[in-house]
Amino acid sequence: DVKVTQSSRYLVKRTGEKVFLECVQDMDHENMFWYRQDPGLGLRLIYFSYDVKMKEKGDIPEGYSVSREKKERFSLILESASTNQTSMYLCAISGRTRLGGEQYFGPGTRLTVT
Amino acid sequence: GDSVTQMEGPVTLSEEAFLTINCTYTATGYPSLFWYVQYPGEGLQLLLKATKADDKGSNKGFEATYRKETTSFHLEKGSVQVSDSAVYFCALSDREVKLSFGAGTTVTVRA
Repeated sequence: DVKVTQSSRYLVKRTGEKVFLECVQDMDHENMFWYRQDPGLGLRLIYFSYDVKMKEKGDIPEGYSVSREKKERFSLILESASTNQTSMYLCAISGRTRLGGEQYFGPGTRLTVT
Repeated sequence: GDSVTQMEGPVTLSEEAFLTINCTYTATGYPSLFWYVQYPGEGLQLLLKATKADDKGSNKGFEATYRKETTSFHLEKGSVQVSDSAVYFCALSDREVKLSFGAGTTVTVRA
């Protein structure tokens, strides 16, 4: 079974705090993704990475950064959290050879910024 | 760019009713198409997929057929159960690593 784990299920942070969300996979897959999910908007891609130390911006990268120092771990960083970043954050993975292939998701982190 | 449009919810049904969720897409190439399901409190799971025209994906009693002529991939189930209550997402991948998702359709099945 594919296993994608996220560091927290629920997180509450204050405005201005630096926030780290971590995603770890056990499948040796090349591609890792961070999405945010908001009602009525579906999933929107924030950043993705296709290799260690490589990253590409998704559709809504503003206010976020990412880090991938090891193949199995992909971190999403909110440098200075704001209330409009309150959302569900989902990590996903896919294999390099599976262009047009499916992604596997973690359970999500529900972040509240107060 | 690539995009997916799916019917708005929420959809409320009684057990054993027939479910259809419409999904249409826009893509420049020949995308792969997916349906994902998200049960309450969980991440997304792949429900079914189709990679070329006229393919039918099926799983857990759900079916969807890739219709290139109508650029559609509608999800159907003949007899829903309470356990099918979830949010359903249509998605496509046009020979890219990235997926494009629809907005999601919330389905509630009442006993």
